[in-house]
Amino acid sequence: GAVVSQHPSWVICKSGTSVKIECRSLDFQATTMFWYRQFPKQSLMLMATSNEGSKATYEQGVEKDKFLINHASLTLSTLTVTSAHPEDSSFYICSARVAERNSPLHFGNGTRLTVT
Amino acid sequence: GENVEQHPSTLSVQEGDSAVIKCTYSDSASNYFPWYKQELGKRPQLIIDIRSNVGEKKDQRIAVTLNKTAKHFSLHITETQPEDSAVYFCAARLLMDSSYKLIFGSGTRLLVRP
Repeated sequence: GAVVSQHPSWVICKSGTSVKIECRSLDFQATTMFWYRQFPKQSLMLMATSNEGSKATYEQGVEKDKFLINHASLTLSTLTVTSAHPEDSSFYICSARVAERNSPLHFGNGTRLTVT
Repeated sequence: GENVEQHPSTLSVQEGDSAVIKCTYSDSASNYFPWYKQELGKRPQLIIDIRSNVGEKKDQRIAVTLNKTAKHFSLHITETQPEDSAVYFCAARLLMDSSYKLIFGSGTRLLVRP
């Protein structure tokens, strides 16, 4: 089946620093990838849609200058949390799908970010 | 935009009993409704899905029903086992051009008591 790999699985950083999270589709090409954020005991909130070769589409309330998304190839999307603050601490999960119209979403393992 | 509501937020059942989780959606254009199971600290795993041209789908102990008129869909788990304990999320697909945007419900924490 389709596998999505996300790295790192956890990261601790200091306030003010930037953190990059990678999301790779291992055995399929993903024209579209999605980045979600999940706070403890809450649902998955869509942050942005990442399209290969074009700019990401951000959801309302998500700062595009703070959460930089790059989708340079059909198998890799990156999310960079810039100038991280403690309130950015969360579980970030990427997902991807194959290009078929009704194909399901496949999730990465998630990255637990803790900003101290 | 699409809004998905999910109930209950927590559900505790005795092993062997059935569990039912219900979701409603707001956008009648939605046409795909997956259910995900998420164990603590892990990725959501797709357990079953249903498309708008079908009213019911079953996979062993898991079934999903869809009522398009009422815009609600439900997850049914029969003969529950302790390993079914997890958080379950429903989702609805909002068709927007060529995008594939999934909007998730708030989740249901299911506890199956041995």
